[in-house]
Amino acid sequence: EDKVVQSPLSLVVHEGDTVTLNCSYEVTNFRSLLWYKQEKKAPTFLFMLTSSGIEKKSGRLSSILDKKELSSILNITATQTGDSAIYLCAVAGNYGQNFVFGPGTRLSVLP
Amino acid sequence: EAGVAQSPRYKIIEKRQSVAFWCNPISGHATLYWYQQILGQGPKLLIQFQNNGVVDDSQLPKDRFSAERLKGVDSTLKIQPAKLEDSAVYLCASSSSGTDTQYFGPGTRLTVL
Repeated sequence: EDKVVQSPLSLVVHEGDTVTLNCSYEVTNFRSLLWYKQEKKAPTFLFMLTSSGIEKKSGRLSSILDKKELSSILNITATQTGDSAIYLCAVAGNYGQNFVFGPGTRLSVLP
Repeated sequence: EAGVAQSPRYKIIEKRQSVAFWCNPISGHATLYWYQQILGQGPKLLIQFQNNGVVDDSQLPKDRFSAERLKGVDSTLKIQPAKLEDSAVYLCASSSSGTDTQYFGPGTRLTVL
């Protein structure tokens, strides 16, 4: 059965800290891994990763995929209170015909 | 560019009643998804449409849930009859052909009493 595991499930840090969120997966016919940020209801897209070892960056956020280890990390540097959210990892398998989300990591950034 | 629209935003019903949710995807997006997100969990894919055809509905409880996308644009998800465990946020998302990047609507929060 396809699955996505995220760790930690919950994390509390102070502003300015750097955090690393982990995602590992087991999926048939992997096609891509996606990271989303969910603050209230709708998840918003952060990154899509398809190739190993190529870092994607957007401001203070960056992510990289390791297809050998079946995992990805999401880094956030110099965290701000506005980074407080649930970070979801999703994997597209079966040539894009099967999407599986992980349980999410709840990040709380304290002032 | 207008985002994914969903309605209603909130719905409260009693168990055994019926309910329907509506979704209008981003213009031109061929793929439409319905997810169920129970509190504290990640979204679970219920059904995926490519234009007006079903790509994946393996996790849709077909004895009570149904969905359609008759003209390949708007979609409706129905629950009949509802159970207590159906209380969740129902998210609709869409993506353009050839990409896995999904854009989500605001969701409908369903409470079944």
